[in-house]
Amino acid sequence: QSALTQPPSASGSPGQSVTLSCTGTSSDVGGYDFVSWYQQYPAKAPKVLIYEVTKRPSGVPDRFSGSKSGNTASLTVSGLQAEDEADYYCSSYAGNNKLVFGGGTKLTVL
Amino acid sequence: QVQLVESGGGVVQPGRSLRLSCAGSGFIFSGSAMHWVRQAPGKGLEWLAVISYDGSNRHYADSVKGRFTISRDNSKNTLYLQVSSLRREDAAVYYCARDPSSGFGEDYQFYMDVWGRGTTVTVSS
Repeated sequence: QSALTQPPSASGSPGQSVTLSCTGTSSDVGGYDFVSWYQQYPAKAPKVLIYEVTKRPSGVPDRFSGSKSGNTASLTVSGLQAEDEADYYCSSYAGNNKLVFGGGTKLTVL
Repeated sequence: QVQLVESGGGVVQPGRSLRLSCAGSGFIFSGSAMHWVRQAPGKGLEWLAVISYDGSNRHYADSVKGRFTISRDNSKNTLYLQVSSLRREDAAVYYCARDPSSGFGEDYQFYMDVWGRGTTVTVSS
């Protein structure tokens, strides 16, 4: 049950698109379509942005989109806005009724 | 509104035990599977445990199995996490969170759609 791998940091300018990656194995990301993405502001609780790889809860802007290829999942933020500056975490079902998170990516809006 | 409120955190000596609580409101608590997740200072999220809607099924991260116990009292709309033999590395903000499913038949969705604000556990002698 090892943590998923996320780059520690990413950045982009307002209006640009940025893609955050989340790499696991065939035992988690690659084996199940239960990848989720969360946004977390400092000292706040996480908020779900994407679930089941591509699905967006109501209220989440369509600027956020998810995908998966093999053992790597991705979150794309289009039309970057200042308010998107936050930490982003992926998670995946890892079999045997267990869940694993990634280490998180700090997104900076330049 | 849908809300989860954690309590029970504080400063605890290494080796001691602690019970965290999470009160749910604004939704049918007894119909929801629930998770505990923690975040050590400056670190990422760590999933700890999940419990089905009726408490009949519980599952833990390997890192805490045998030391942490998740439970619930649906008559009080409350989720619990018993943390035993506390270690310095258990210091974290502990969040409870709702799974959109009930967990009936071990069918969880394994994502969290509602989160509490967290309760902080500090481990210090």
